[in-house]
Amino acid sequence: EIVLTQSPDFQSVTPKGKVTITCRASRDIGGSLHWYQQKPGQSPKLLIKYASQSISGVPSRFSGSGSGTDFTLTINSLEAEDAATYFCHQSSNLPLTFGGGTKVEIK
Amino acid sequence: QVQLVESGGGVVQPGRSLRLSCVGSGFAFSDFAMHWVRQAPGKGLEWLGVTLFDGSNEFYADSVRGRFTISRDNSKNTLYLQMNSLRPEDTATYYCARVLSVAGSFDLWGQGSLVTVSS
Repeated sequence: EIVLTQSPDFQSVTPKGKVTITCRASRDIGGSLHWYQQKPGQSPKLLIKYASQSISGVPSRFSGSGSGTDFTLTINSLEAEDAATYFCHQSSNLPLTFGGGTKVEIK
Repeated sequence: QVQLVESGGGVVQPGRSLRLSCVGSGFAFSDFAMHWVRQAPGKGLEWLGVTLFDGSNEFYADSVRGRFTISRDNSKNTLYLQMNSLRPEDTATYYCARVLSVAGSFDLWGQGSLVTVSS
C-alpha cells in the first residue's frame, strides 16, 4: 500500500497570504496525485488532478506541482472561503489511498 | 443536473447488515467506474472499493473485503454498497464517487450517507 504523508497537519494564514501543503508518497507514483478541498459538512471537491492539471471552475490561486514522491499544493492570495481541510490522493496503485489532511485556518 | 445522491444510511446494531445506494443523474453513468469512500467522524478519507464500468469486476480495500460488496445496475444508474457484519469501527459517512477511468481523480462525489453502528 502506498502511504501518503501530508504536512503540515494545520496551518493558520492571514488573508492574502500563501499556503503551501506537501504530500510525500512512500514510493514513486509518477504524476498520479490529486488534491481535494473539504469544507465542514460537505463532500470533498476536486481541486487539482494529476499533480498539476487545473480543474474547470477552480480559482487560479490554487496550483499543484511535483512528480514521483514529492508533491505540493499552493494557494496564493488566500481568501476567507479557502478555510477547509485539504487532502491528497494517489491513483497509481490499488488500494487507492489518501493523505491525512491539512486543515487551513484563516487568521 | 450532474449529481450523485446516496441513501440508505442510519443506525444499525453491530453484526447487522445495511445497504447503501447511490443514484447518478445528468451524465452517462455506465461510462464511469464507481467508487465508495468513507470518512469516520473527525477523521480522514478511506477508500473502500470500486466497480468497473459494466460491473464485471470489483476491487476492495483489505479492511472491508469479504464483508462489503459493491455492485451496480446501469439500467437504474445506481451503485450499491452491501455491508454485512457491521462493526462499531464502520461508523462513518459513506461517499460514492465517480472516475472516468478505473483509477484516477474523483471529479464528482455524492453528499454522503451517515452510517452509525451502535447497540
